[in-house]
Amino acid sequence: DAKTTQPNSMESNEEEPVHLPCNHSTISGTDYIHWYRQLPSQGPEYVIHGLTSNVNNRMASLAIAEDRKSSTLILHRATLRDAAVYYCILRGNTGANSKLTFGKGITLSVRP
Amino acid sequence: DAGVIQSPRHEVTEMGQEVTLRCKPISGHDYLFWYRQTMMRGLELLIYFNNNVPIDDSGMPEDRFSAKMPNASFSTLKIQPSEPRDSAVYFCASSFRVGEQYFGPGTRLTVT
Repeated sequence: DAKTTQPNSMESNEEEPVHLPCNHSTISGTDYIHWYRQLPSQGPEYVIHGLTSNVNNRMASLAIAEDRKSSTLILHRATLRDAAVYYCILRGNTGANSKLTFGKGITLSVRP
Repeated sequence: DAGVIQSPRHEVTEMGQEVTLRCKPISGHDYLFWYRQTMMRGLELLIYFNNNVPIDDSGMPEDRFSAKMPNASFSTLKIQPSEPRDSAVYFCASSFRVGEQYFGPGTRLTVT
């Protein structure tokens, strides 16, 4: 499985932007970059995904490096509710490659 | 839609007893996944189904674990006999094709 590397933790202030980095130097050409997050005592929830181009949705933005070896999840204005573990995952779109393999993720703390 | 439904939410049982966890996926989804989460091992995929057929059970820890999906709206994960090391939070997730996965709230299992 292609692997991702994330810092263990990050702190942010409420209402400020947050940039969560992810390295994936062994990414293959067909791997999508997915982000999920897990709020305390809840199941993971989908955040965003992309292949090559930057992506935006109502929750976040995903900035993908030109060589695709790294990406950054951007929360534009952190709220207390954004405190969670964020997982960066590489995922193919066919067969066994479509499985989600969760690493340790990055724990985001948000200060009021 | 009510989302993925899991029952029970909490289960406490004694070692050696049979445990059955239940999952109702989102209507129309054709993939169903069972995960287990512990502090030591993180979030692990146990098994997944496509159109009610088990596709990959390589994550099932041992023969004490079994999973079934008799129809598109119901799946069970059974542990027989249960052991203390099976204590974990078990999540069920579903998706349409290989799209984003929607997770249930989880079942917290404690085996004493």
